Amino acid sequence: EDQVTQSPEALRLQEGESSSLNCSYTVSGLRGLFWYRQDPGKGPEFLFTLYSAGEEKEKERLKATLTKKESFLHITAPKPEDSATYLCAPFSGGYNKLIFGAGTRLAVHP
Amino acid sequence: GAGVSQSPRYKVAKRGQDVALRCDPISGHVSLFWYQQALGQGPEFLTYFQNEAQLDKSGLPSDRFFAERPEGSVSTLKIQRTQQEDSAVYLCASSSQKTELSGNTIYFGEGSWLTVV
Repeated sequence: EDQVTQSPEALRLQEGESSSLNCSYTVSGLRGLFWYRQDPGKGPEFLFTLYSAGEEKEKERLKATLTKKESFLHITAPKPEDSATYLCAPFSGGYNKLIFGAGTRLAVHP
Repeated sequence: GAGVSQSPRYKVAKRGQDVALRCDPISGHVSLFWYQQALGQGPEFLTYFQNEAQLDKSGLPSDRFFAERPEGSVSTLKIQRTQQEDSAVYLCASSSQKTELSGNTIYFGEGSWLTVV
């Protein structure tokens, strides 16, 4: 059975304090992985799609990387507006049925 | 519209009442998905449509849940005889192409918050 685990569950950072979020998974036939950001009371907002081990993608202060067993979301010099829940969802075959992790709740304080 | 639109945004239903949740996907999007999200959890898959065809409904938790997309655009998720355990956020998402193709992005709506009392 495919499983996705995100760690830590919650993370508190000071503004400017860089860190990484982890998404580990057991998915047979991994084809790729999505990262989403979700603000309270909102739907998930797309960040990245990664397709192959070693691939990296960047957007502002965020950089996502992918290996065969896990993905990392690196946050460099975060700002309070980066506070949100970050969700990952690996997929195999088609992506019609994503399995999401429970998310990492990030709080960045000034 | 510019994004995936869902209505109602909030719904309070009495136990046993039927509810219908509507999703307007991004215009022209082929793929449409419904997910259920409990508080503090990630979204869980319910069902998937490619145009008007419901290709996967394996995530629907019981036969009280029914989804349709009769003309390949707007979709409705119906829950009959609601129970307290149905309280959750119901998220609709759409994608421009078939899910077998790479390079796609799945866009989510804001969700419909259902509370069963």
